[in-house]
Amino acid sequence: QSALTQPASVSGSPGQSLTISCTGTSSDIGGYDFVSWYQQHPGRAPKLIIYAVRNRPSGVSNRFSGSKSGNTASLTISGLQAEDEADYYCNSYRRTHTHGVIFGGGTKLTVL
Amino acid sequence: QVHLVESGGGVVQPGGSLRVSCEASGFAFSSHSMHWVRQAPGKGLEWVAVIQNDGRNEFYADSVKGRFTISRDNSKSTLYLQMDTLRTEDTAVYYCAKEGGTGWSCFDNWGQGTLVTVTS
Repeated sequence: QSALTQPASVSGSPGQSLTISCTGTSSDIGGYDFVSWYQQHPGRAPKLIIYAVRNRPSGVSNRFSGSKSGNTASLTISGLQAEDEADYYCNSYRRTHTHGVIFGGGTKLTVL
Repeated sequence: QVHLVESGGGVVQPGGSLRVSCEASGFAFSSHSMHWVRQAPGKGLEWVAVIQNDGRNEFYADSVKGRFTISRDNSKSTLYLQMDTLRTEDTAVYYCAKEGGTGWSCFDNWGQGTLVTVTS
């Protein structure tokens, strides 16, 4: 099962906005709105920050937003802060010969 | 407040077996599908398996199908992962995750993880 494609790393300065892409296929991202994003700090469990493409759980900053176009989902972080430095993962429901979930390879965000 | 606590990790030889558990509290366990997700040291997240709320259906990643079995005991609010025929590449932190109301890929709560090391 090949992972969804994310850039290995991105970087930005405090206050800037940046976008992390997540590319899949019509069997996952392109076919369903079951796309989520997670933030993971070193040594910690992942934390859900976006679900169902563009929805934020209660308590998550509105600086995080999600979108989707075709087979690619995107996470945008605005007003970058030092605390945003972390690994970010997308995932999606995938329907092939069975049902499953597929993750992206992860993106390391560095705040300069 | 949702709480997920994994246990049972440890060191096992290739070809061996291990069962990890996840004790849940703070929510209606029997109303939610539950997942296992793993993370090899220094690597990304990999989905392992899901079991529906009533335990009737289970689905697995190709990498573990036929070797791992997910199960649950709703009377004990506990999720399990029985891992057989373990390989060195199964070495990872194993997280249990609660599926949110919107389904499948929405893991709205995670445990702290339990480390499984497969080595000779």
